[in-house]
Amino acid sequence: GENVEQHPSTLSVQEGDSAVIKCTYSDSASNYFPWYKQELGKRPQLIIDIRSNVGEKKDQRIAVTLNKTAKHFSLHITETQPEDSAVYFCAASKGGSYIPTFGRGTSLIVHP
Amino acid sequence: ETGVTQSPTHLIKTRGQQVTLRCSSQSGHNTVSWYQQALGQGPQFIFQYYREEENGRGNFPPRFSGLQFPNYSSELNVNALELDDSALYLCASSADINTGELFFGEGSRLTVL
Repeated sequence: GENVEQHPSTLSVQEGDSAVIKCTYSDSASNYFPWYKQELGKRPQLIIDIRSNVGEKKDQRIAVTLNKTAKHFSLHITETQPEDSAVYFCAASKGGSYIPTFGRGTSLIVHP
Repeated sequence: ETGVTQSPTHLIKTRGQQVTLRCSSQSGHNTVSWYQQALGQGPQFIFQYYREEENGRGNFPPRFSGLQFPNYSSELNVNALELDDSALYLCASSADINTGELFFGEGSRLTVL
């Protein structure tokens, strides 16, 4: 089955800095890569996703890049704000049933 | 539009007992998935239901079972509870089996003593 590795497990940055979270996946058939944000005590919520037919997608301060050859994808957050503090999960899934396999999560802490 | 709701929010059980968790999917959604999230871990897939049929199952023993009802609400049953079953159980619905975005509920926090 699919295996998703996520790094780092904890990331601490100053407000205004950029943050990068990296994930690798094992199944070359995976073609959908969502990122979820989970604030403390809250439900995970989708913040951005990318499909395998594109290499990069951007939405305001967040962007995701995908390298299919290397089987890795990354989340980039620019101009971080304290409200970006949360746990971020990457995931990978295949079309058809879209059952994602999640990474272990990255706890992002943005210091004011 | 009503979001995904789960009940109960918290519960405590003892080893060997049975538990039923419930989920109402978001309006218009016909696919429901259940996940187990241990503390400090990512959600682990338990199973998915599409139009009342099980569509996929993760690496969980048969004592984890589920149902989806005609109104697309769902329940997760766990028999013979073990200490390691203590976790947050998340339900997520999606508009259809071929759409990627999952809409999660707030979860049911199960503690097994």
